[in-house]
Amino acid sequence: GNSVTQMEGPVTLSEEAFLTINCTYTATGYPSLFWYVQYPGEGLQLLLKATKADDKGSNKGFEATYRKETTSFHLEKGSVQVSDSAVYFCALSDSGGGADGLTFGKGTHLIIQP
Amino acid sequence: SQTIHQWPATLVQPVGSPLSLECTVEGTSNPNLYWYRQAAGRGLQLLFYSVGIGQISSEVPQNLSASRPQDRQFILSSKKLLLSDSGFYLCAWSATPHGEETQYFGPGTRLLVL
Repeated sequence: GNSVTQMEGPVTLSEEAFLTINCTYTATGYPSLFWYVQYPGEGLQLLLKATKADDKGSNKGFEATYRKETTSFHLEKGSVQVSDSAVYFCALSDSGGGADGLTFGKGTHLIIQP
Repeated sequence: SQTIHQWPATLVQPVGSPLSLECTVEGTSNPNLYWYRQAAGRGLQLLFYSVGIGQISSEVPQNLSASRPQDRQFILSSKKLLLSDSGFYLCAWSATPHGEETQYFGPGTRLLVL
């Protein structure tokens, strides 16, 4: 079956540091890949996505590249801010456009210190 | 634009009591609808999804049930809550037809069963 593995953290960084959150996946088909962010006490917000190999998703300074050869979708940001503190979820959709739910990783808690 | 609402935002219920959580979507027609649970320290688990009125698919056997009485309304219920039902419940929607896989999440309901 499908699965997503990501570092769980917490990951603690200083402001303006470089961020990488690793995400690897296992899927039977050709999944779409997503990063969602959850701020404290809130629901999940879509951060970025990529639908095919070598696509790069980007938003708010975050980037992730769909690497089929390494089955990875690592999240990066060049200079983090305190406001980036949140839980980040990597997810995949292997439904081929159907209605199945997303498969999520367990989430990575990111803490940015001033 | 589309919006998704959940209520209540927070709920404290005794073991053995019934449950009804409601989710509604505005600004779209015939969405796919999903219920997820996020337990403390764990990732998101898909509980139910629905592709149309009266159509419910269950992903995990449990004492919870879901119903979709209207196109943009999705209800999560239980006749008798267990302690293990505590968690953060998230409703999500995605657009049809085939090919649109991004899911958009509501603000969530935090349930504490005592």
